[in-house]
Amino acid sequence: DAGVTQSPTHLIKTRGQQVTLRCSPKSGHDTVSWYQQALGQGPQFIFQYYEEEERQRGNFPDRFSGHQFPNYSSELNVNALLLGDSALYLCASSLLGGSVGHYEQYFGPGTRLTVT
Amino acid sequence: DAKTTQPPSMDCAEGRAANLPCNHSTISGNEYVYWYRQIHSQGPQYIIHGLKNNETNEMASLIITEDRKSSTLILPHATLRDTAVYYCIASSYNQGGKLIFGQGTELSVKP
Repeated sequence: DAGVTQSPTHLIKTRGQQVTLRCSPKSGHDTVSWYQQALGQGPQFIFQYYEEEERQRGNFPDRFSGHQFPNYSSELNVNALLLGDSALYLCASSLLGGSVGHYEQYFGPGTRLTVT
Repeated sequence: DAKTTQPPSMDCAEGRAANLPCNHSTISGNEYVYWYRQIHSQGPQYIIHGLKNNETNEMASLIITEDRKSSTLILPHATLRDTAVYYCIASSYNQGGKLIFGQGTELSVKP
């Protein structure tokens, strides 16, 4: 059973460029959440997708956008990259539909984005 | 902001029990306590969760005080591979998986 997978593993971009990160959830999961983790900090919630809709959003600007596909995989897009966007981007999947009040999230290994 | 507070770091001798405390004095009645850990440069890993009762699984035990204002994660026989940052998080179903991470506790298991 494959867990959460993310691609690419590492990425180097130039300030002002755009980037797309990809995530495939754990088999059987229907929800994908994205987090940004700066060096030395805990992960920060960006947004969550369920049934191809953005269900929740953290305190991130509109430069951060996402998409969920019918197969539950997801993309995170960041436009007009800033140096401060350099971070580890984590994807987490869970099963929201049918949950009974609690559920665990399973994280992928992350994509390390460096903006120069 | 995170609803939990944890000590920034702890040491534990290999083979001994590691007891990681967490304060969550403002936790709501419908919020579960979740524990995750993050080994260097990897994604966080789910460990255990609980609402009111103590819980145990193959990885750890979770002790929640009766007033639910604090909890302790217990790794019964710590190994070097348990060296990681441990996060205690309060979250409810209504928050739909939005985990608010604090700074966590950096646990160092030493030989």
